[in-house]
Amino acid sequence: GAGVSQSPRYKVAKRGQDVALRCDPISGHVSLFWYQQALGQGPEFLTYFQNEAQLDKSGLPSDRFFAERPEGSVSTLKIQRTQQEDSAVYLCASSTLAGGPHEQYFGPGTRLTVT
Amino acid sequence: AQSVTQLDSHVSVSEGTPVLLRCNYSSSYSPSLFWYVQHPNKGLQLLLKYTSAATLVKGINGFEAEFKKSETSFHLTKPSAHMSDAAEYFCVVSEYNFNKFYFGSGTKLNVKP
Repeated sequence: GAGVSQSPRYKVAKRGQDVALRCDPISGHVSLFWYQQALGQGPEFLTYFQNEAQLDKSGLPSDRFFAERPEGSVSTLKIQRTQQEDSAVYLCASSTLAGGPHEQYFGPGTRLTVT
Repeated sequence: AQSVTQLDSHVSVSEGTPVLLRCNYSSSYSPSLFWYVQHPNKGLQLLLKYTSAATLVKGINGFEAEFKKSETSFHLTKPSAHMSDAAEYFCVVSEYNFNKFYFGSGTKLNVKP
């Protein structure tokens, strides 16, 4: 079956531009996560949704970062006024159940480069 | 608080020899632990997981890991490396309530012919 998909796969933005990154989780998965992976580092948690509710956004690095999942399926991560330090791979993952511990299924990521 | 330390950023082995990738964790309660593999330009794939059942966990592609509470370790092993095992490996500890993952910094495995 289809896995987690993300689009675009690559995004180049000029400093100050806004970007929107899309995640299509596996159909029926309740939980959705966003992670940020800087070059040479492990992924770091950004935010978590259970259906349409954003239950944890403690990892969002600044108020320029905003995520939504309005209908409990597709999610969008938006970054306003991008800065060079935002350059990273943004990973989306989904999980079939709420709570834990459960396997998370990861998408291929969106590589964001801010110039 | 949860955290993971992967002790080696790079490991190089010859094909056919054993693999050992080391991981130590810190958790405020009984942890759930995972190993994921990331091949270039591919998504993270689950190798195996420990969730308080048997302490020796078998995963895909011949990998296994042993949970040692006294040592707070969850090292990944494979008896015989294959060229296709060359990738980056991440040790992960999970927060129970929301299943938030805490990743180690990764270990790049190089397999020499």
